[in-house]
Amino acid sequence: GAGVSQSPSNKVTEKGKDVELRCDPISGHTALYWYRQSLGQGLEFLIYFQGNSAPDKSGLPSDRFSAERTGGSVSTLTIQRTQQEDSAVYLCASRRLAGEDTQYFGPGTRLTVL
Amino acid sequence: TQLLEQSPQFLSIQEGENLTVYCNSSSVFSSLQWYRQEPGEGPVLLVTVVTGGEVKKLKRLTFQFGDARKDSSLHITAAQPGDTGLYLCAGVPVGGSYIPTFGRGTSLIVHP
Repeated sequence: GAGVSQSPSNKVTEKGKDVELRCDPISGHTALYWYRQSLGQGLEFLIYFQGNSAPDKSGLPSDRFSAERTGGSVSTLTIQRTQQEDSAVYLCASRRLAGEDTQYFGPGTRLTVL
Repeated sequence: TQLLEQSPQFLSIQEGENLTVYCNSSSVFSSLQWYRQEPGEGPVLLVTVVTGGEVKKLKRLTFQFGDARKDSSLHITAAQPGDTGLYLCAGVPVGGSYIPTFGRGTSLIVHP
């Protein structure tokens, strides 16, 4: 596609359930980021994939959070045993090459944990 | 730790007014970016500034990078209702992997 796509656009789940959020980056982009955006908190970095290198997981808030990027393209962010504080908009962004500044963001997935 | 302080957090003005948004840090950045985000969408890059003292203009928007590459400002002249949105600054740290630090954003509302 022409841009970064994310699915689902909205997800409502019950506390304790697992959720999977999907990101389809722009074709050919080597770098992929996951961020979390809470009201009034700006964007919080979660995880960064660059090519075939080991991902930078330094932003993941707990071991309930994990992410994979298969075949250097699609990425899935998994949150296990969701908590109410996990409610936020989860944004994915991709970048063409290492060293380039421009990130292209998807529209985000709004996660609500009841 | 919030490395990028963005101010003001909220701004509500009338059409035609001027405004300035500030982004400050004690850290030096290799580059700094400004994004605009509308409800239900992801942020969209407006500009990247790289050189200390650099000034870039995008129509009615003027972006400046501080001489020491620690701070930046966004000035909008004669604001329009279409400028309404969340403005975010993001600094790319010197060296290391490319993981930008975002400010908390400035929510701008321009009333007709």
